[in-house]
Amino acid sequence: QLQLQESGPGLVKPSETLSLTCTVSGGSISSSSYYWGWIRQPPGKGLEWIGSIYYSGSTYYNPSLKSRVTISVDTSKNQFSLKLSSVTAADTAVYYCARPFAEVVTAPVQHWGQGTLVTVSS
Amino acid sequence: SYVLTQPPSVSVAPGKTARITCGGNNIGSKSVHWYQQKPGQAPVLVIYYDSDRPSGIPERFSGSNSGNTATLTISRVEAGDEADYYCQVWDSSSDHRVFGTGTKVTVL
Repeated sequence: QLQLQESGPGLVKPSETLSLTCTVSGGSISSSSYYWGWIRQPPGKGLEWIGSIYYSGSTYYNPSLKSRVTISVDTSKNQFSLKLSSVTAADTAVYYCARPFAEVVTAPVQHWGQGTLVTVSS
Repeated sequence: SYVLTQPPSVSVAPGKTARITCGGNNIGSKSVHWYQQKPGQAPVLVIYYDSDRPSGIPERFSGSNSGNTATLTISRVEAGDEADYYCQVWDSSSDHRVFGTGTKVTVL
């Protein structure tokens, strides 16, 4: 059974870079053709897609975040990562890593991590 | 960018039918997916490609999509259906995933 687990600091200072890693178990990032992604949810608010990455490194990003986001993949560790630069309080959210239902980037998300709360505060 | 609009809340009595709308410009030309999210939990896919149900999702959940509105219908509502529901599409004009504003379903 596929499992996704987010990890990283729960507190980040304003203007710094938020860094999270998603560890995949029960499946190999490199032996499949899925896009692996990040989605966030500010407290009490809705879902916002951040971006997705293919095992080869091809990426799609939310245009509203594109200038600050980098998603990368480490197939040797079966992990993919998120970096969000120049964070502000508005970036405080639960961050989920996720994988779609099928091997196309447009497919709906079926697998989600449990989510990790990242607070931006000095 | 593409915007999906949902009513903030829907209230329904147990055993009745809840309908949650998702409005978007010509949304009928896109594939719509629906997620259920209960407090403190990750979302769960309940309808995909407008009207298909993942395994394990009750037949009480159904979806439709036409014109400028997609609809998630929950029949014979149960207390356990109380949750937030989000619609989602892929915006091909800018190549990104778009979520609706979300609807809180309250079972009276």
